[in-house]
Amino acid sequence: KQEVTQIPAALSVPEGENLVLNCSFTDSAIYNLQWFRQDPGKGLTSLLLIQSSQREQTSGRLNASLDKSSGRSTLYIAASQPGDSATYLCAVSNPGTGANSKLTFGKGITLSVRP
Amino acid sequence: NAGVMQNPRHLVRRRGQEARLRCSPMKGHSHVYWYRQLPEEGLKFMVYLQKENIIDESGMPKERFSAEFPKEGPSILRIQQVVRGDSAAYFCASSPGLGREQYFGPGTRLTVT
Repeated sequence: KQEVTQIPAALSVPEGENLVLNCSFTDSAIYNLQWFRQDPGKGLTSLLLIQSSQREQTSGRLNASLDKSSGRSTLYIAASQPGDSATYLCAVSNPGTGANSKLTFGKGITLSVRP
Repeated sequence: NAGVMQNPRHLVRRRGQEARLRCSPMKGHSHVYWYRQLPEEGLKFMVYLQKENIIDESGMPKERFSAEFPKEGPSILRIQQVVRGDSAAYFCASSPGLGREQYFGPGTRLTVT
């Protein structure tokens, strides 16, 4: 059974700092990995999707890496801003019976960027 | 291209009533997923549907919960005889195909009083 862990649960940094959010998963036979952002009381916004054959993906100030063999992914945020304050969720999909690609989520890291 | 639509955004039901949650996927998406986020817990998969077919309902509670995605119209998550423990945010996601990026709706926040 796939389990996804995100530690720490919360993180507070000053504005302008570069930071790394970690995600680990127990079953390395993943289909892909997705990073999301969730603002309080809102839905999820997809940030980056990494296919199992890829090592990293970049979008603006965000860079996500994937190391399947060790069961780890990191989300790198450059030059953090107060607007980056949100909960960041990591989710993986595994190939399963009937070609399902359901996502298994971590509990998220709540990031606070102080002005 | 509108995103994933969910309605209602907020739903209040008394214990024993029925709750119907609707999800309209993004245009061109034929794969729909439902997830539940309980207070202080992560999102949990409930069910995966394609048009007129339930592909995987391994995350659905065995009783009172059902889902459908008809040929025409939105996907519906139906909860019969709601209990307080059903209070949660229910999110729908859609995808254009297997293994592709999933796009989430804003969620329906169900409160059972």
